[in-house]
Amino acid sequence: EVQLVESGGGLVQPGGSLRLSCAASGFTFSSYSMYWVRQAPGKGLECVSYISSSSSTIYYADSVRGRFTISRDNAKNSLFLQMISLRAEDTAVYYCARVEGSGWTAGYWGQGTLVTVSS
Amino acid sequence: QSVLTQPPSVSAAPGQKVTISCSGSSSNIGNNYVSWYQQFPGTAPKLLIYDNNKRPSGIPDRFSGSKSGTSATLGITGLQTGDEADYYCGTWDSSLSAYVFGTGTKVTVL
Repeated sequence: EVQLVESGGGLVQPGGSLRLSCAASGFTFSSYSMYWVRQAPGKGLECVSYISSSSSTIYYADSVRGRFTISRDNAKNSLFLQMISLRAEDTAVYYCARVEGSGWTAGYWGQGTLVTVSS
Repeated sequence: QSVLTQPPSVSAAPGQKVTISCSGSSSNIGNNYVSWYQQFPGTAPKLLIYDNNKRPSGIPDRFSGSKSGTSATLGITGLQTGDEADYYCGTWDSSLSAYVFGTGTKVTVL
Protein backbone atom coordinates (compact mmCIF):
# COMPACT_ATOMS: atom_id res chain seq x y z
CA GLU A 1 0.00 0.00 0.00
CA VAL A 2 1.30 3.40 -0.97
CA GLN A 3 1.79 5.62 2.06
CA LEU A 4 2.99 9.21 2.29
CA VAL A 5 3.36 10.73 5.74
CA GLU A 6 4.24 14.40 6.17
CA SER A 7 5.78 15.88 9.28
CA GLY A 8 7.53 19.03 10.44
CA GLY A 9 4.69 21.51 10.41
CA GLY A 10 3.98 23.88 13.25
CA LEU A 11 3.78 27.49 14.36
CA VAL A 12 6.57 29.77 13.18
CA GLN A 13 7.04 33.53 13.30
CA PRO A 14 7.14 35.63 10.13
CA GLY A 15 10.64 35.52 8.70
CA GLY A 16 11.30 32.16 10.29
CA SER A 17 12.20 28.81 8.78
CA LEU A 18 10.78 25.31 8.78
CA ARG A 19 11.68 22.01 7.16
CA LEU A 20 8.93 19.64 6.11
CA SER A 21 9.48 15.93 5.54
CA CYS A 22 7.49 13.32 3.69
CA ALA A 23 8.19 9.64 4.42
CA ALA A 24 7.25 7.31 1.59
CA SER A 25 6.55 3.59 1.76
CA GLY A 26 4.81 0.86 -0.20
CA PHE A 27 6.44 1.71 -3.53
CA THR A 28 9.83 2.28 -5.17
CA PHE A 29 10.29 5.90 -4.14
CA SER A 30 13.32 6.44 -6.37
CA SER A 31 11.22 5.76 -9.48
CA TYR A 32 8.70 8.56 -8.95
CA SER A 33 8.67 12.32 -9.21
CA MET A 34 7.00 14.16 -6.35
CA TYR A 35 5.06 17.34 -5.62
CA TRP A 36 4.53 19.58 -2.63
CA VAL A 37 1.02 21.02 -2.75
CA ARG A 38 -0.42 23.45 -0.24
CA GLN A 39 -3.88 24.63 0.72
CA ALA A 40 -4.43 27.81 2.70
CA PRO A 41 -7.38 27.77 5.14
CA GLY A 42 -10.62 27.86 3.20
CA LYS A 43 -8.78 28.19 -0.12
CA GLY A 44 -7.90 26.03 -3.12
CA LEU A 45 -4.92 23.90 -3.99
CA GLU A 46 -1.56 25.30 -5.06
CA CYS A 47 1.37 23.19 -6.26
CA VAL A 48 4.44 24.87 -4.83
CA SER A 49 7.18 22.56 -6.08
CA TYR A 50 8.05 19.55 -8.21
CA ILE A 51 11.10 17.29 -8.15
CA SER A 52 11.92 14.51 -10.60
CA SER A 53 12.89 11.04 -9.47
CA SER A 54 16.62 11.71 -9.73
CA SER A 55 16.38 15.35 -8.55
CA SER A 56 17.61 16.45 -11.98
CA THR A 57 14.54 18.60 -12.65
CA ILE A 58 13.01 20.94 -10.10
CA TYR A 59 10.28 23.52 -10.47
CA TYR A 60 8.85 26.12 -8.08
CA ALA A 61 5.76 28.27 -8.06
CA ASP A 62 6.53 31.97 -8.41
CA SER A 63 5.07 32.53 -4.95
CA VAL A 64 7.83 30.52 -3.25
CA ARG A 65 10.78 30.65 -5.65
CA GLY A 66 13.92 31.79 -3.84
CA ARG A 67 12.47 30.97 -0.41
CA PHE A 68 11.60 27.27 -0.64
CA THR A 69 13.92 24.41 -1.58
CA ILE A 70 12.70 20.95 -2.48
CA SER A 71 14.98 17.94 -2.12
CA ARG A 72 14.82 14.20 -1.69
CA ASP A 73 16.85 11.32 -0.29
CA ASN A 74 16.06 8.22 -2.32
CA ALA A 75 18.11 6.03 -0.01
CA LYS A 76 15.85 7.04 2.87
CA ASN A 77 12.60 7.20 0.87
CA SER A 78 12.11 10.78 1.94
CA LEU A 79 11.06 14.09 0.41
CA PHE A 80 11.79 17.47 1.95
CA LEU A 81 10.73 21.09 1.70
CA GLN A 82 13.01 23.66 3.28
CA MET A 83 11.14 26.92 3.83
CA ILE A 84 12.80 30.18 4.79
CA SER A 85 11.64 33.79 5.07
CA LEU A 86 8.16 32.55 5.85
CA ARG A 87 5.23 34.91 5.45
CA ALA A 88 1.69 34.92 6.79
CA GLU A 89 0.46 33.94 3.34
CA ASP A 90 2.47 30.69 3.55
CA THR A 91 0.07 29.50 6.23
CA ALA A 92 -1.46 26.32 4.83
CA VAL A 93 -1.71 22.58 5.01
CA TYR A 94 1.18 21.16 3.03
CA TYR A 95 0.73 17.85 1.22
CA CYS A 96 3.28 15.69 -0.55
CA ALA A 97 1.97 13.81 -3.57
CA ARG A 98 3.31 11.20 -5.93
CA VAL A 99 3.41 12.03 -9.64
CA GLU A 100 1.91 9.35 -11.87
CA GLY A 101 3.04 8.42 -15.35
CA SER A 102 3.48 10.97 -18.08
CA GLY A 103 0.36 12.97 -17.35
CA TRP A 104 1.75 14.88 -14.36
CA THR A 105 -1.14 13.55 -12.26
CA ALA A 106 -0.90 13.67 -8.47
CA GLY A 107 -1.97 10.11 -7.87
CA TYR A 108 -1.36 9.57 -4.14
CA TRP A 109 -1.41 12.15 -1.39
CA GLY A 110 -0.27 12.29 2.18
CA GLN A 111 -2.54 13.46 5.00
CA GLY A 112 -0.85 16.86 5.16
CA THR A 113 0.95 18.90 7.79
CA LEU A 114 -0.19 22.34 8.95
CA VAL A 115 2.19 25.28 8.79
CA THR A 116 1.08 28.41 10.61
CA VAL A 117 3.06 31.62 10.19
CA SER A 118 2.08 34.09 12.86
CA SER A 119 3.57 36.27 15.53
CA GLN B 1 -4.95 33.27 -8.78
CA SER B 2 -5.56 30.02 -10.65
CA VAL B 3 -5.23 29.78 -14.42
CA LEU B 4 -8.00 27.17 -14.52
CA THR B 5 -11.56 28.39 -13.95
CA GLN B 6 -14.33 26.31 -12.41
CA PRO B 7 -17.81 27.30 -11.24
CA PRO B 8 -17.84 27.91 -7.47
CA SER B 9 -20.73 25.53 -6.89
CA VAL B 10 -23.13 23.13 -8.52
CA SER B 11 -26.08 21.29 -7.03
CA ALA B 12 -28.67 18.69 -7.88
CA ALA B 13 -31.06 16.28 -6.23
CA PRO B 14 -30.06 12.72 -5.32
CA GLY B 15 -29.95 10.48 -8.36
CA GLN B 16 -29.52 13.37 -10.76
CA LYS B 17 -26.46 14.36 -12.78
CA VAL B 18 -24.08 17.28 -12.38
CA THR B 19 -21.29 18.49 -14.60
CA ILE B 20 -18.35 20.64 -13.58
CA SER B 21 -16.45 22.63 -16.17
CA CYS B 22 -12.77 23.54 -16.11
CA SER B 23 -11.63 26.24 -18.50
CA GLY B 24 -8.00 26.84 -19.36
CA SER B 25 -5.78 27.69 -22.30
CA SER B 26 -3.51 26.17 -24.89
CA SER B 27 -0.58 26.19 -22.47
CA ASN B 28 -2.35 23.92 -20.02
CA ILE B 29 -5.53 22.00 -20.84
CA GLY B 30 -5.09 22.44 -24.59
CA ASN B 31 -1.88 20.44 -24.68
CA ASN B 32 -1.78 18.35 -21.51
CA TYR B 33 -3.81 15.69 -19.77
CA VAL B 34 -6.41 16.74 -17.22
CA SER B 35 -7.04 15.13 -13.84
CA TRP B 36 -9.85 15.60 -11.36
CA TYR B 37 -9.64 15.40 -7.58
CA GLN B 38 -12.25 15.03 -4.86
CA GLN B 39 -11.73 16.53 -1.42
CA PHE B 40 -13.86 16.18 1.69
CA PRO B 41 -13.50 18.76 4.47
CA GLY B 42 -10.41 18.20 6.57
CA THR B 43 -9.01 15.46 4.37
CA ALA B 44 -6.46 15.19 1.59
CA PRO B 45 -7.54 15.35 -2.05
CA LYS B 46 -8.15 12.05 -3.81
CA LEU B 47 -7.62 11.29 -7.49
CA LEU B 48 -10.88 10.70 -9.36
CA ILE B 49 -9.97 10.97 -13.03
CA TYR B 50 -6.61 11.03 -14.81
CA ASP B 51 -5.48 11.37 -18.42
CA ASN B 52 -8.72 13.25 -19.21
CA ASN B 53 -11.09 10.31 -18.84
CA LYS B 54 -9.51 7.37 -17.02
CA ARG B 55 -10.64 6.20 -13.59
CA PRO B 56 -8.25 4.76 -11.01
CA SER B 57 -9.12 1.42 -9.54
CA GLY B 58 -11.99 1.70 -7.08
CA ILE B 59 -13.56 4.84 -8.55
CA PRO B 60 -17.15 4.09 -9.62
CA ASP B 61 -18.18 4.64 -13.22
CA ARG B 62 -20.64 7.27 -12.02
CA PHE B 63 -17.67 9.59 -12.37
CA SER B 64 -16.52 10.49 -15.87
CA GLY B 65 -14.19 12.97 -17.51
CA SER B 66 -13.88 14.53 -20.92
CA LYS B 67 -11.82 17.18 -22.65
CA SER B 68 -12.39 19.35 -25.68
CA GLY B 69 -9.93 21.99 -26.79
CA THR B 70 -9.02 24.12 -23.80
CA SER B 71 -11.83 22.93 -21.53
CA ALA B 72 -12.52 19.81 -19.53
CA THR B 73 -15.61 18.47 -17.82
CA LEU B 74 -16.26 16.18 -14.87
CA GLY B 75 -19.59 14.41 -14.80
CA ILE B 76 -21.21 12.74 -11.82
CA THR B 77 -24.32 10.65 -12.44
CA GLY B 78 -26.61 9.03 -9.89
CA LEU B 79 -25.69 11.73 -7.40
CA GLN B 80 -25.40 10.56 -3.79
CA THR B 81 -25.19 12.48 -0.52
CA GLY B 82 -21.71 11.02 -0.13
CA ASP B 83 -20.62 12.92 -3.25
CA GLU B 84 -20.88 16.25 -1.43
CA ALA B 85 -17.33 17.52 -1.59
CA ASP B 86 -15.03 19.96 -3.32
CA TYR B 87 -13.78 19.02 -6.77
CA TYR B 88 -10.67 20.34 -8.48
CA CYS B 89 -9.31 19.95 -11.97
CA GLY B 90 -5.57 19.88 -12.48
CA THR B 91 -3.09 19.82 -15.33
CA TRP B 92 0.44 20.79 -16.27
CA ASP B 93 0.99 24.30 -17.57
CA SER B 94 3.84 24.29 -20.08
CA SER B 95 4.31 28.07 -19.96
CA LEU B 96 4.50 28.24 -16.17
CA SER B 97 6.37 24.93 -15.83
CA ALA B 98 4.00 24.18 -12.99
CA TYR B 99 1.16 21.87 -12.12
CA VAL B 100 -1.95 24.03 -11.83
CA PHE B 101 -5.29 23.42 -10.18
CA GLY B 102 -8.68 24.81 -10.90
CA THR B 103 -10.45 27.19 -8.56
CA GLY B 104 -12.52 24.36 -7.14
CA THR B 105 -16.22 23.53 -7.22
CA LYS B 106 -18.40 22.60 -4.27
CA VAL B 107 -20.99 19.96 -5.07
CA THR B 108 -24.17 20.08 -3.00
CA VAL B 109 -26.79 17.36 -3.02
CA LEU B 110 -30.18 18.96 -2.45
